[in-house]
Amino acid sequence: EIVMTQSPATLSVSPGERATLSCRASQSVSSKLAWYQQKPGQPPRLLIFDASTRATGIPARFSGSGSGTEFTLTISSLQSEDFTVYYCQQYNNWPLTFGGGTKLEIK
Amino acid sequence: EVQLLESGGGLAQPGGSLRLSCAASGFTFTYYAMGWVRQAPGKGLEWVSAITGTGAGTYYADSVKGRFAISRDNSKSTMYLQMNSLRAEDTAIYYCAKKGGAFDVWGQGTTVTVSS
Repeated sequence: EIVMTQSPATLSVSPGERATLSCRASQSVSSKLAWYQQKPGQPPRLLIFDASTRATGIPARFSGSGSGTEFTLTISSLQSEDFTVYYCQQYNNWPLTFGGGTKLEIK
Repeated sequence: EVQLLESGGGLAQPGGSLRLSCAASGFTFTYYAMGWVRQAPGKGLEWVSAITGTGAGTYYADSVKGRFAISRDNSKSTMYLQMNSLRAEDTAIYYCAKKGGAFDVWGQGTTVTVSS
């Protein structure tokens, strides 16, 4: 099983600043990496797939990068609605696995 | 509009069974793999199971293998999750999701509680 490790668990950033979230895979997942945003009481929403492609309707301030085992989600200028939880997920191998999540909080 | 609507959640006793359904609309159901993802109270996301578009291929997390069975009826655009031998640790919100590589569309979820 591929273990996905997200860091940090909690990230404190001021509105308008840049946030950088990390995700590491225990073995290569090529570019089969997705990022999801989840707000309280809602299902997850797909932000990024194939490591760097924004999903439909996702603002340009969200960007993804990386391949192999190291991945990054960058939010360029944080808006109030961005302060929530983010998950990475690999879909290169079965079983599919998620990271433990990063909570983005207001500094 | 693409929509997924889960149903069938509720309270079950340990060792009991439940059958979840996921009704899909707004896309050609048979073209896409589908999956179930769960979230225990206050916890992260855990992939549970997935099924190919034709239903010929099924996949399970080790935590549910041998207890849960995924299936689909393409004539009804509906996916199912038969959950047997339920345990307390199966308590969670169960989401169905459309799988186009990543999970690109999610339902609102149905809550399963396993308790005596």
